[in-house]
Amino acid sequence: AQSVTQPDARVTVSEGASLQLRCKYSYFGTPYLFWYVQYPRQGLQLLLKYYPGDPVVQGVNGFEAEFSKSNSSFHLRKASVHWSDWAVYFCAALSGSFNKLTFGAGTRLAVCP
Amino acid sequence: GPKVLQIPSHQIIDMGQMVTLNCDPVSNHLYFYWYKQILGQQMEFLVNFYNGKVMEKSKLFKDQFSVERPDGSYFTLKIQPTALEDSAVYFCASSSLLGGYEQYFGPGTRLTVL
Repeated sequence: AQSVTQPDARVTVSEGASLQLRCKYSYFGTPYLFWYVQYPRQGLQLLLKYYPGDPVVQGVNGFEAEFSKSNSSFHLRKASVHWSDWAVYFCAALSGSFNKLTFGAGTRLAVCP
Repeated sequence: GPKVLQIPSHQIIDMGQMVTLNCDPVSNHLYFYWYKQILGQQMEFLVNFYNGKVMEKSKLFKDQFSVERPDGSYFTLKIQPTALEDSAVYFCASSSLLGGYEQYFGPGTRLTVL
């Protein structure tokens, strides 16, 4: 079965430090992958998306992600974290004929001053 | 960017009652979705809907659940009767084309079943 795994439930970084949030997928065929962010008491906002092509994709607010077929990964990165990045980040994969999104469990990011 | 609206933001009801959650999707979108997120857990797909029909549903989409979008009005999720385990945040999403892939999410409706 297709699945998305985010191995880190919580990540804490200092403001200004670099960030990597991990995502692994199990998928048959060519995956379409997404990173969403959820701020407190808000819905999901799309950070970036991967459609087959360039493995490094750029998103909003300085986020980028790199797709690796050999590692079955789609890790999210940011060079310098800001306190406003404090949120929950979800990796998701599109599956099925009708655009069902399968989500990972999410990674809760805390930013320390 | 495009906005999906959900009404109400919070609903509290007694077990066994009926509830209808309303979603106002992006205006030119044709594909609609409901997802369920139990507090502290991951979001899970419930159902998607196109051209007046359910295209795919998960095992979470119980017989007590139904969806419709009459005449281009709200896309609704109805639960009748509700159960305690239906307490969750329900997110609506919409997308423009089957091949467009990008889903836009609403802010969610927090449903509390007592």
